[in-house]
Amino acid sequence: GEEVAQTPKHLVRGEGQKAKLYCAPIKGHSYVFWYQQVLKNEFKFLISFQNENVFDETGMPKERFSAKCLPNSPCSLEIQATKLEDSAVYFCASSLDPEAFFGQGTRLTVV
Amino acid sequence: ELKVEQNPLFLSMQEGKNYTIYCNYSTTSDRLYWYRQDPGKSLESLFVLLSNGAVKQEGRLMASLDTKARLSTLHITAAVHDLSATYFCAVDVAGAQKLVFGQGTRLTINP
Repeated sequence: GEEVAQTPKHLVRGEGQKAKLYCAPIKGHSYVFWYQQVLKNEFKFLISFQNENVFDETGMPKERFSAKCLPNSPCSLEIQATKLEDSAVYFCASSLDPEAFFGQGTRLTVV
Repeated sequence: ELKVEQNPLFLSMQEGKNYTIYCNYSTTSDRLYWYRQDPGKSLESLFVLLSNGAVKQEGRLMASLDTKARLSTLHITAAVHDLSATYFCAVDVAGAQKLVFGQGTRLTINP
């Protein structure tokens, strides 16, 4: 496809529940990124993939967050045992060097 | 650690006026991106600047990059209401394949 497709658009979870977000990158793009945008507009880098391999995971809170990009499947970002502070919009992006294209985001609300 | 700072963070201006948003960054990079974000929406790519002295223009927006000064500018000419949005600059640390974002500049253009 010609756009980065993220699902779902909105997700509500109770504290302690699991959340799973999906991202279908643009075909032919070799890099996929996940960013978290919190209420003050700040973007925080979480993780990047080069094809199905983790490229940089320095932004991931590893104790609860995990991510995968498997062949022939959407990429996923999973949060185990969500906390209130995880409430944010999670953006996925894919890139064909040098330009990155962003999806519409998934708004996660933890209550 | 790379830091990216924008100023101003808030800008309210009259239609027809000119103004400039500044983006400073703290370590060497020759890749700088400008994005626009409307409320509740994704990031729209405006410009990708890839070398010292790069200048790009699209409509009433013009972006430039000075890698020696570690500074990029986004200049708005004869602003119109439709340009109201939040503008982000982002820097790609060479080879890192990840973007570090500025705080965003919320631009409001009044009729």
